[in-house]
Amino acid sequence: TQLLEQSPQFLSIQEGENLTVYCNSSSVFSSLQWYRQEPGEGPVLLVTVVTGGEVKKLKRLTFQFGDARKDSSLHITAAQPGDTGLYLCAGERNNAGNMLTFGGGTRLMVKP
Amino acid sequence: IAGITQAPTSQILAAGRRMTLRCTQDMRHNAMYWYRQDLGLGLRLIHYSNTAGTTGKGEVPDGYSVSRANTDDFPLTLASAVPSQTSVYFCASSDGGGYTFGSGTRLTVV
Repeated sequence: TQLLEQSPQFLSIQEGENLTVYCNSSSVFSSLQWYRQEPGEGPVLLVTVVTGGEVKKLKRLTFQFGDARKDSSLHITAAQPGDTGLYLCAGERNNAGNMLTFGGGTRLMVKP
Repeated sequence: IAGITQAPTSQILAAGRRMTLRCTQDMRHNAMYWYRQDLGLGLRLIHYSNTAGTTGKGEVPDGYSVSRANTDDFPLTLASAVPSQTSVYFCASSDGGGYTFGSGTRLTVV
């Protein structure tokens, strides 16, 4: 069992649809980061959330950190084929320095 | 060089052989990390270094060793490779915020 559970693991949708990816844990995190990874490349940082209840927007992507800092969500509005990729959440626990624990990832495919 | 460079890009290695995966960064980040990525298991931390001259064990350190002689380089060594070490290996660095990752090394141990 992973410390951070992501759901769904796989998601295939049509262009223009909305979707939400969840990242859940029973542990409290001092911050939570979201990354996107494309085939053959390393993950690329999208956003960091640090305050319980915080909401950040990055164009059509909306990220939210749970009030208790145990969970997070990523919502994509009007998905585009360019959004296709593996989305990873990663949490930094208190007193763990800057070390991150990663969730298992959500593989998203957006079909034109 | 911009960011993190990993070498080689891919390698097929005979079981029992020794191999060093190279990682170099040009951002002067203090912290560096090695992860392995396996289908269904996500990214798991192998070893880390918070600053030059120090290293620590991550979640899956057995069979791997690292060194951090200077800020820029953080090589990962497999002393005697085994098939279960077949994976994609990512090096990352951080200045206290988000991580910057390299493009990975795909290693197959046969």
